[in-house]
Order: sequence, then structure tokens, then C-alpha cells
Amino acid sequence: SQKIEQNSEALNIQEGKTATLTCNYTNYSPAYLQWYRQDPGRGPVFLLLIRENEKEKRKERLKVTFDTTLKQSLFHITASQPADSATYLCAPPGEGSSNTGKLIFGQGTTLQVKP
Amino acid sequence: DAGITQSPRHKVTETGTPVTLRCHQTENHRYMYWYRQDPGHGLRLIHYSYGVKDTDKGEVSDGYSVSRSKTEDFLLTLESATSSQTSVYFCAIRFEGRYEQYFGPGTRLTVT
Repeated sequence: SQKIEQNSEALNIQEGKTATLTCNYTNYSPAYLQWYRQDPGRGPVFLLLIRENEKEKRKERLKVTFDTTLKQSLFHITASQPADSATYLCAPPGEGSSNTGKLIFGQGTTLQVKP
Repeated sequence: DAGITQSPRHKVTETGTPVTLRCHQTENHRYMYWYRQDPGHGLRLIHYSYGVKDTDKGEVSDGYSVSRSKTEDFLLTLESATSSQTSVYFCAIRFEGRYEQYFGPGTRLTVT
């Protein structure tokens, strides 16, 4: 069955450095993949979507890549700030679910940016 | 926040009692979703709706039912709550023609 894996260990980095988070998927090929941010006690907030025919997508300090050969998406935050500290979730649609929006979420990686 | 509210925000109930959670949106979005979030499992889809009276099951639908009698409200019902349904429940909407989802603030449900 399809599986989405994110590094469950927290990522601790120094302010100003680049944070890189990994999302791996297995057993299928999603047409797109989304990244969300979640702060404690709040709902996830959409950040970026990347399609299977796009290698890279950028938004301000955020960059997402999508490698369909490796079955992996990388999420980068450049010049990280303490305010970037949160849990980041990757979410592709389930197999055959691109149009219904039935997303499969990874467990998320918690990022802690230290001043 | 795409005009999404959830009620109640917190609820404690006893095993075996029925519980209904409400998701309300103000912008006439067609697509609405119910998720639960648990440590170690992440967010999992329970049910979704693609229009009034049109609903379908998600990954973890057992023990849950939904109803959507009008566009703005999507109700999630636990007919007989169990302790395994203790969780944080999130509602989400999706804009027509787009893929990203916008989430409500969540309901924390504890079943004792």
C-alpha cells in the first residue's frame, strides 16, 4: 500500500542556516505533492504544491523539489528564523485520488530554529 | 482561515454516548473533509464531501458517519463513542479547481 515517510526526529538548526526536510513515498506515483505547516494547537496551513512535471517550486524563502525517480520531495527553508519553528507535513493525494483531494499526510517533521 | 469554524472546540464525553461535531464554512465551497490527528499516525481522512448529500469514505471511516444537508455545514457523528476515538478532529475545505486544503481550528475530543 502507499506509504508516506517523513523523518520523525526533530530537526534542530541555528538561525540563518538552511533547513532541509525530506518526504519519501512508496508504492505509487502521485501527480502532485503538498507541504503544510502546523503550529501547536492549530490546524495545518498550506505552503506549497509541486506537480510531478515540476522539478522545483519556490515561494519567498521556501523551496520544494520533487524527484519522481527517487520518489522523494525535499522542502528547504533558507535563512531560517526562530519563527519558522513548527511541524512540517507533506501530503500527496492517495493513489487515484488526485481530483478528489483525498490526501495522505506524513507524520511530519518538527523543526526547531535556535537564535 | 477561509471562514471555517468548528464546534465544539473541546468536548469530553463518556464511552457509548453519541457525539456530533460541526464544521461550518461561509464561502459555499463544494469540497469539505474531516480528518483526525493522533500522535504516531499523523492526519488521517475520515470522510469527505463533494456537495450537498454527496459524501464518501476516507481511510478511517469505521465508527463515523457524516451528513451534509446544506453547503455550509458538514457534520461528523460518532454514533457510540469509544476511547479509541479520543483525538483532535480537523475539518478542511478545498476551493473548486484547486488542490490545496484550508483547515479549521480543530476540535479536541476526549472519550472517557
